[in-house]
Amino acid sequence: NAGVTQTPKFQVLKTGQSMTLQCAQDMNHEYMSWYRQDPGMGLRLIHYSVGAGITDQGEVPNGYNVSRSTTEDFPLRLLSAAPSQTSVYFCASSYSLDSYNEQFFGPGTRLTVL
Amino acid sequence: ILNVEQSPQSLHVQEGDSTNFTCSFPSSNFYALHWYRWETAKSPEALFVMTLNGDEKKKGRISATLNTKEGYSYLYIKGSQPEDSATYLCAFQGITNAGKSTFGDGTTLTVKP
Repeated sequence: NAGVTQTPKFQVLKTGQSMTLQCAQDMNHEYMSWYRQDPGMGLRLIHYSVGAGITDQGEVPNGYNVSRSTTEDFPLRLLSAAPSQTSVYFCASSYSLDSYNEQFFGPGTRLTVL
Repeated sequence: ILNVEQSPQSLHVQEGDSTNFTCSFPSSNFYALHWYRWETAKSPEALFVMTLNGDEKKKGRISATLNTKEGYSYLYIKGSQPEDSATYLCAFQGITNAGKSTFGDGTTLTVKP
């Protein structure tokens, strides 16, 4: 199993550009989520999904869109990048929401918005 | 927004020292408390999931306890080694909105040889 994969690993955008961060998992996990990690802070939840076709907002959803058309993939879209979105983004998945399952994290995408 | 606090923010110890740090969370609405270990340039990895008041979990030299009535969990490392150097995160899940894990800011441990 590859686990949780994220692409790209690094990205530089100009203000106003849009892009999609890709996340995929091959563990047949129902639950997937996106976090951002800023210096001196922990992980903050952007959006999450409890299954294909179902998404919900986390703590800091503004400026980001998600969709979950398949169990495996959970892309994160930045509609119009802003410098405040410079961060490291982590995708995570877990087996389900109903039991006390650990989350498995991808390697992260380091995004810089100029 | 839930308040999940970890203390101290950072800790420097000598090899062989034992250490502990704290995660505080809301005592009401408790569902689960997770501990993760996050090494530099890697991704967070799960250490423990704790669900019942009084839970104690152990993995090698690392152990954790849980008090849901007062809203805290302790993580202990016995005989710290340089390879224990990492950031330790806790994550709180409430019964309502269990999909929204709230992470603390972490405790960064540095173990000097």
